[in-house]
Amino acid sequence: DGGITQSPKYLFRKEGQNVTLSCEQNLNHDAMYWYRQDPGQGLRLIYYSQIVNDFQKGDIAEGYSVSREKKESFPLTVTSAQKNPTAFYLCASSIRDSMNTEAFFGQGTRLTVV
Amino acid sequence: DAKTTQPNSMESNEEEPVHLPCNHSTISGTDYIHWYRQLPSQGPEYVIHGLTSNVNNRMASLAIAEDRKSSTLILHRATLRDAAVYYCILRESGYALNFGKGTSLLVTP
Repeated sequence: DGGITQSPKYLFRKEGQNVTLSCEQNLNHDAMYWYRQDPGQGLRLIYYSQIVNDFQKGDIAEGYSVSREKKESFPLTVTSAQKNPTAFYLCASSIRDSMNTEAFFGQGTRLTVV
Repeated sequence: DAKTTQPNSMESNEEEPVHLPCNHSTISGTDYIHWYRQLPSQGPEYVIHGLTSNVNNRMASLAIAEDRKSSTLILHRATLRDAAVYYCILRESGYALNFGKGTSLLVTP
């Protein structure tokens, strides 16, 4: 069953701690993306990667870091430098540079800073 | 990058057709028009996309204006499960999907 998996579904973090969100896909997609969503808002792009070992900052990359060591995996680390990390985080993947195909999204990780 | 404009919210009765509009006056010739929807507390799901011609699939229809500056997503018979936020997005080569705030669709019985 092909798809994109995010874990965990819910995550609690103490202020000042780094935390890593997992995103795995078995769709053989080159491109992967991380978005953040705040209540009542649309999705904002954090980072994206078009190929292994390469990634670019999105609109709100400050306080976040990513790695892309494997095609299937694109973990996102929320660092202590992110001032307001409580949000819903969504990972997506797609065929690279293909505007004529759809993107697939995971079910999200809801991060709460306590 | 290209932008779209959608109404903040719309309301429909169950089993009636719904027409969700989207304006994209700065669209370029190679941009595809994509629609996604997001149910509460879930990730977005793909609905439909097109370039110039109208498109139909099992979920919806997409009507694209001749000048491509606007499009309309058509749900032929709205159900309660269609209540979601609908996003109209221009897909550009080499770029991630750029989400606006979308249209929140309320379906009433």
